[in-house]
Amino acid sequence: EAQVTQNPRYLITVTGKKLTVTCSQNMNHEYMSWYRQDPGLGLRQIYYSMNVEVTDKGDVPEGYKVSRKEKRNFPLILESPSPNQTSLYFCASSLRGRTGKQYFGPGTRLTVT
Amino acid sequence: QQQVKQSPQSLIVQKGGIPIINCAYENTAFDYFPWYQQFPGKGPALLIAIRPDVSEKKEGRFTISFNKSAKQFSLHIMDSQPGDSATYFCAASGKETSGSRLTFGEGTQLTVNP
Repeated sequence: EAQVTQNPRYLITVTGKKLTVTCSQNMNHEYMSWYRQDPGLGLRQIYYSMNVEVTDKGDVPEGYKVSRKEKRNFPLILESPSPNQTSLYFCASSLRGRTGKQYFGPGTRLTVT
Repeated sequence: QQQVKQSPQSLIVQKGGIPIINCAYENTAFDYFPWYQQFPGKGPALLIAIRPDVSEKKEGRFTISFNKSAKQFSLHIMDSQPGDSATYFCAASGKETSGSRLTFGEGTQLTVNP
Protein backbone atom coordinates (compact mmCIF):
# COMPACT_ATOMS: atom_id res chain seq x y z
CA GLU A 1 0.00 0.00 0.00
CA ALA A 2 1.34 3.43 -0.98
CA GLN A 3 1.76 5.44 2.16
CA VAL A 4 3.65 7.96 4.26
CA THR A 5 4.35 6.87 7.80
CA GLN A 6 5.33 9.00 10.76
CA ASN A 7 6.57 8.06 14.21
CA PRO A 8 5.73 8.68 16.90
CA ARG A 9 2.08 9.63 16.48
CA TYR A 10 1.94 11.31 19.88
CA LEU A 11 4.77 12.77 21.92
CA ILE A 12 4.89 14.75 25.14
CA THR A 13 8.30 16.11 26.04
CA VAL A 14 9.97 18.83 28.08
CA THR A 15 11.64 22.01 26.98
CA GLY A 16 15.16 21.49 25.68
CA LYS A 17 15.09 17.72 25.27
CA LYS A 18 16.17 16.86 21.73
CA LEU A 19 13.72 14.81 19.70
CA THR A 20 13.34 13.35 16.23
CA VAL A 21 10.14 12.65 14.34
CA THR A 22 10.65 10.11 11.61
CA CYS A 23 8.97 10.11 8.21
CA SER A 24 9.13 7.42 5.57
CA GLN A 25 7.45 6.96 2.19
CA ASN A 26 7.29 3.87 -0.01
CA MET A 27 6.34 5.55 -3.30
CA ASN A 28 9.85 6.43 -4.51
CA HIS A 29 8.92 10.12 -4.42
CA GLU A 30 11.68 12.68 -4.81
CA TYR A 31 9.89 15.54 -3.05
CA MET A 32 9.19 15.51 0.68
CA SER A 33 8.03 18.21 3.07
CA TRP A 34 7.29 18.89 6.70
CA TYR A 35 4.35 21.03 7.79
CA ARG A 36 2.98 22.15 11.10
CA GLN A 37 -0.74 22.70 11.60
CA ASP A 38 -2.00 25.19 14.15
CA PRO A 39 -5.59 26.39 14.70
CA GLY A 40 -6.36 29.49 12.67
CA LEU A 41 -3.04 29.32 10.83
CA GLY A 42 -3.61 26.35 8.55
CA LEU A 43 -0.64 24.33 7.35
CA ARG A 44 2.74 26.03 7.26
CA GLN A 45 5.72 24.48 5.55
CA ILE A 46 8.78 23.98 7.74
CA TYR A 47 11.30 22.41 5.37
CA TYR A 48 11.18 20.60 2.09
CA SER A 49 13.50 18.34 0.13
CA MET A 50 13.77 17.92 -3.62
CA ASN A 51 16.02 14.87 -3.49
CA VAL A 52 18.63 13.11 -1.43
CA GLU A 53 20.92 15.66 0.24
CA VAL A 54 18.89 18.57 -1.19
CA THR A 55 16.80 20.48 1.34
CA ASP A 56 15.54 24.03 1.70
CA LYS A 57 13.70 26.17 4.20
CA GLY A 58 9.98 26.62 4.10
CA ASP A 59 8.04 29.39 5.77
CA VAL A 60 8.73 28.54 9.42
CA PRO A 61 12.12 26.77 9.69
CA GLU A 62 13.36 28.34 12.96
CA GLY A 63 14.04 25.74 15.63
CA TYR A 64 13.94 22.77 13.26
CA LYS A 65 16.47 20.73 11.33
CA VAL A 66 16.04 18.09 8.65
CA SER A 67 18.19 15.64 6.77
CA ARG A 68 17.64 13.55 3.65
CA LYS A 69 20.24 10.81 3.51
CA GLU A 70 17.96 8.29 1.83
CA LYS A 71 15.19 8.89 -0.67
CA ARG A 72 12.51 7.29 1.44
CA ASN A 73 13.27 8.98 4.78
CA PHE A 74 13.00 12.60 5.86
CA PRO A 75 13.33 13.02 9.64
CA LEU A 76 12.44 16.24 11.46
CA ILE A 77 14.77 17.16 14.31
CA LEU A 78 14.04 19.55 17.16
CA GLU A 79 17.40 20.17 18.84
CA SER A 80 15.97 22.16 21.76
CA PRO A 81 12.18 22.08 21.72
CA SER A 82 10.24 24.98 23.17
CA PRO A 83 6.54 25.27 24.10
CA ASN A 84 5.81 27.30 20.94
CA GLN A 85 6.65 24.19 18.95
CA THR A 86 3.66 22.41 20.42
CA SER A 87 1.72 21.56 17.29
CA LEU A 88 0.44 18.90 14.92
CA TYR A 89 3.13 17.93 12.43
CA PHE A 90 2.64 16.38 9.01
CA CYS A 91 5.11 14.87 6.62
CA ALA A 92 4.20 14.78 2.93
CA SER A 93 5.69 13.43 -0.26
CA SER A 94 4.98 14.00 -3.93
CA LEU A 95 6.21 12.83 -7.29
CA ARG A 96 6.16 16.18 -9.09
CA GLY A 97 7.04 18.80 -6.53
CA ARG A 98 4.75 21.80 -6.14
CA THR A 99 2.16 20.72 -8.74
CA GLY A 100 2.15 17.11 -7.72
CA LYS A 101 -0.38 15.48 -5.46
CA GLN A 102 0.91 15.71 -1.91
CA TYR A 103 0.55 12.48 0.04
CA PHE A 104 0.35 13.30 3.74
CA GLY A 105 1.24 11.12 6.67
CA PRO A 106 -1.14 10.60 9.60
CA GLY A 107 0.39 13.36 11.71
CA THR A 108 2.39 13.62 14.92
CA ARG A 109 0.86 15.46 17.86
CA LEU A 110 3.73 17.08 19.79
CA THR A 111 3.35 18.73 23.18
CA VAL A 112 6.32 20.56 24.71
CA THR A 113 5.93 21.47 28.38
CA GLN B 1 1.98 37.08 6.68
CA GLN B 2 -0.62 34.78 5.18
CA GLN B 3 -0.26 34.81 1.41
CA VAL B 4 -3.50 32.90 0.92
CA LYS B 5 -6.52 34.12 2.89
CA GLN B 6 -9.38 31.67 3.37
CA SER B 7 -12.93 32.26 4.58
CA PRO B 8 -15.08 31.44 6.40
CA GLN B 9 -13.26 29.82 9.31
CA SER B 10 -16.24 27.54 9.93
CA LEU B 11 -19.41 26.71 8.06
CA ILE B 12 -22.53 24.75 8.93
CA VAL B 13 -25.02 23.64 6.27
CA GLN B 14 -27.88 21.24 6.02
CA LYS B 15 -27.66 18.08 3.93
CA GLY B 16 -28.21 18.95 0.28
CA GLY B 17 -26.98 22.53 0.71
CA ILE B 18 -24.16 24.05 -1.30
CA PRO B 19 -21.36 25.24 0.96
CA ILE B 20 -18.96 27.72 -0.61
CA ILE B 21 -15.44 28.32 0.66
CA ASN B 22 -13.48 31.28 -0.61
CA CYS B 23 -9.78 31.99 -0.97
CA ALA B 24 -7.90 35.10 -2.03
CA TYR B 25 -4.25 35.52 -2.92
CA GLU B 26 -1.87 38.39 -3.62
CA ASN B 27 1.02 36.78 -5.47
CA THR B 28 0.28 37.03 -9.20
CA ALA B 29 3.00 34.44 -9.86
CA PHE B 30 0.83 31.71 -8.33
CA ASP B 31 -0.24 29.30 -11.06
CA TYR B 32 -1.47 26.18 -9.29
CA PHE B 33 -4.37 26.12 -6.84
CA PRO B 34 -5.25 22.84 -5.09
CA TRP B 35 -7.84 22.11 -2.45
CA TYR B 36 -7.19 19.57 0.28
CA GLN B 37 -9.72 17.80 2.49
CA GLN B 38 -8.86 16.67 6.00
CA PHE B 39 -10.92 14.37 8.21
CA PRO B 40 -10.37 14.34 11.98
CA GLY B 41 -7.27 12.40 12.94
CA LYS B 42 -6.05 12.11 9.36
CA GLY B 43 -3.63 13.91 7.12
CA PRO B 44 -4.97 16.19 4.35
CA ALA B 45 -5.76 14.59 0.99
CA LEU B 46 -5.90 16.24 -2.42
CA LEU B 47 -9.48 16.90 -3.48
CA ILE B 48 -9.25 18.93 -6.68
CA ALA B 49 -6.87 21.43 -8.28
CA ILE B 50 -7.05 24.15 -10.93
CA ARG B 51 -4.71 26.17 -13.12
CA PRO B 52 -5.48 29.84 -13.91
CA ASP B 53 -6.04 29.15 -17.61
CA VAL B 54 -9.55 27.86 -16.83
CA SER B 55 -12.34 29.54 -14.86
CA GLU B 56 -14.01 26.41 -13.54
CA LYS B 57 -13.23 22.77 -12.89
CA LYS B 58 -15.63 20.06 -11.74
CA GLU B 59 -14.92 16.69 -10.23
CA GLY B 60 -18.05 14.92 -9.09
CA ARG B 61 -19.87 17.14 -6.59
CA PHE B 62 -16.85 19.42 -6.12
CA THR B 63 -16.32 22.52 -8.26
CA ILE B 64 -13.56 25.10 -8.20
CA SER B 65 -14.37 28.55 -9.57
CA PHE B 66 -11.40 30.75 -10.43
CA ASN B 67 -11.38 34.51 -10.96
CA LYS B 68 -7.92 35.54 -12.13
CA SER B 69 -8.60 39.29 -12.25
CA ALA B 70 -9.91 39.31 -8.70
CA LYS B 71 -7.22 36.88 -7.53
CA GLN B 72 -9.84 34.71 -5.90
CA PHE B 73 -10.90 31.11 -6.12
CA SER B 74 -13.61 29.14 -4.38
CA LEU B 75 -14.77 25.62 -3.68
CA HIS B 76 -18.43 24.67 -4.11
CA ILE B 77 -19.80 21.36 -2.84
CA MET B 78 -23.01 20.37 -4.59
CA ASP B 79 -25.62 18.31 -2.78
CA SER B 80 -23.49 18.24 0.36
CA GLN B 81 -23.62 15.13 2.56
CA PRO B 82 -22.78 14.53 6.24
CA GLY B 83 -19.75 12.57 5.01
CA ASP B 84 -18.38 15.83 3.56
CA SER B 85 -17.93 17.17 7.09
CA ALA B 86 -14.22 17.90 7.26
CA THR B 87 -11.69 20.70 7.24
CA TYR B 88 -10.92 22.13 3.82
CA PHE B 89 -7.71 23.92 2.90
CA CYS B 90 -7.01 25.91 -0.21
CA ALA B 91 -3.42 26.30 -1.33
CA ALA B 92 -1.34 27.97 -4.00
CA SER B 93 2.10 27.78 -5.53
CA GLY B 94 4.00 29.59 -8.25
CA LYS B 95 6.79 29.02 -10.72
CA GLU B 96 9.20 31.21 -8.82
CA THR B 97 9.15 28.74 -5.96
CA SER B 98 11.22 25.63 -6.14
CA GLY B 99 10.70 22.14 -4.91
CA SER B 100 7.36 21.40 -3.35
CA ARG B 101 6.54 24.85 -2.00
CA LEU B 102 2.86 25.17 -1.27
CA THR B 103 1.24 27.99 0.66
CA PHE B 104 -1.95 26.97 2.46
CA GLY B 105 -4.93 28.98 3.63
CA GLU B 106 -6.09 28.95 7.24
CA GLY B 107 -8.65 26.20 6.74
CA THR B 108 -12.46 25.97 6.90
CA GLN B 109 -14.21 23.53 9.19
CA LEU B 110 -17.34 22.35 7.40
CA THR B 111 -20.21 20.62 9.18
CA VAL B 112 -23.03 19.13 7.14
CA ASN B 113 -26.02 18.33 9.32
CA PRO B 114 -28.27 15.39 8.38
